[in-house]
Amino acid sequence: GQQLNQSPQSMFIQEGEDVSMNCTSSSIFNTWLWYKQDPGEGPVLLIALYKAGELTSNGRLTAQFGITRKDSFLNISASIPSDVGIYFCAGLYGNKLVFGAGTILRVKS
Amino acid sequence: NAGVTQTPKFQVLKTGQSMTLQCAQDMNHNSMYWYRQDPGMGLRLIYYSASEGTTDKGEVPNGYNVSRLNKREFSLRLESAAPSQTSVYFCASSQTEGIQPQHFGDGTRLSIL
Repeated sequence: GQQLNQSPQSMFIQEGEDVSMNCTSSSIFNTWLWYKQDPGEGPVLLIALYKAGELTSNGRLTAQFGITRKDSFLNISASIPSDVGIYFCAGLYGNKLVFGAGTILRVKS
Repeated sequence: NAGVTQTPKFQVLKTGQSMTLQCAQDMNHNSMYWYRQDPGMGLRLIYYSASEGTTDKGEVPNGYNVSRLNKREFSLRLESAAPSQTSVYFCASSQTEGIQPQHFGDGTRLSIL
């Protein structure tokens, strides 16, 4: 079945840094989604991408739907402390939604 | 506040006990979902309900049953809990099936001893 490889698994951020993460698969998806999960809460939908090559922004977040439809990227510019959490990508194929394992963002001390 | 409400937030069960997790949404969404989240893994779909009166199996349905009681409520039942069902369970909803789950509840943390 479809599987998503999300990387990195975790990363440390310093306030003000730009952050990048990505999701890849051997399968083609029709929609790519990015969610953020804070501790003790459910995931929150950040960005939805519906077309190959699409680039969409939500504030300091920018996500892209890869041309091959097998990958997607999320960038966070000028990170702030409240950006910490777990970021999940998800790919939609038909009506089946597959989630990546998540990228954990932590603050560098 | 509008959203998805799950109860209980925490529960500890013994192996073999039964339990029903409750979920309600007040956004008039048609589709509802139950996911489980395990460490190091993405969310996995247990069951979903595309619309009131219908339910379908997801990726990991074994050991679970669901009931779409009405448009607002979608419950998940463990008939005979097993340690492998220790997980965090999330309910979600969306306007229609085939689009992304738009709203998630805050989860039910279930431990089975």
